[in-house]
Amino acid sequence: GDSVTQMEGPVTLSEEAFLTINCTYTATGYPSLFWYVQYPGEGLQLLLKATKADDKGSNKGFEATYRKETTSFHLEKGSVQVSDSAVYFCALSDRGGNQFYFGTGTSLTVIP
Amino acid sequence: DSGVTQTPKHLITATGQRVTLRCSPRSGDLSVYWYQQSLDQGLQFLIHYYNGEERAKGNILERFSAQQFPDLHSELNLSSLELGDSALYFCASSVSPQAASEQYFGPGTRLTVT
Repeated sequence: GDSVTQMEGPVTLSEEAFLTINCTYTATGYPSLFWYVQYPGEGLQLLLKATKADDKGSNKGFEATYRKETTSFHLEKGSVQVSDSAVYFCALSDRGGNQFYFGTGTSLTVIP
Repeated sequence: DSGVTQTPKHLITATGQRVTLRCSPRSGDLSVYWYQQSLDQGLQFLIHYYNGEERAKGNILERFSAQQFPDLHSELNLSSLELGDSALYFCASSVSPQAASEQYFGPGTRLTVT
């Protein structure tokens, strides 16, 4: 079945460091891919998405490219801030948007 | 604030009991998704309803059931509760089931089974 595997955390970085969180997926057909972020005590929020191969999703300085050849959707940010401290979830949906699969989440802490 | 409301915020109950969690989607959203978040299993998709009809089932136990009412709010019923059912339960809503349609998550209901 469809699934998502993402880098385990926790990840601790200094402010202004480069961030990469790896995400790979297994899916039949052509899924859509997402990154969601969960701040402490809150629900998940969509960070970015890509719906087809080679699409790049971007938002708030974060980027991820849908790579069909490597079945990956790695999250990157060039310079993290303390306010980026949160849990990040990689997810995919089937083509019809009926069913979603989430990774286990990667906790990021950015220290000043 | 995502516009999705969930009640109650916290729920403490005993094993063997039955509880109902409620979700009101954002105004205009027809799809409601339910998820279970636990420390050991991450975020698990449970079930999806669109405009009152069930669209997809994920890892939902037979002891759990859900429905979406004509006013589009949804309820998740959990019965014969076990300690392992303790988790954070989220609902999310979207305009439609289209894959590109963004899901908006509620703040969650924390269920503790003692």
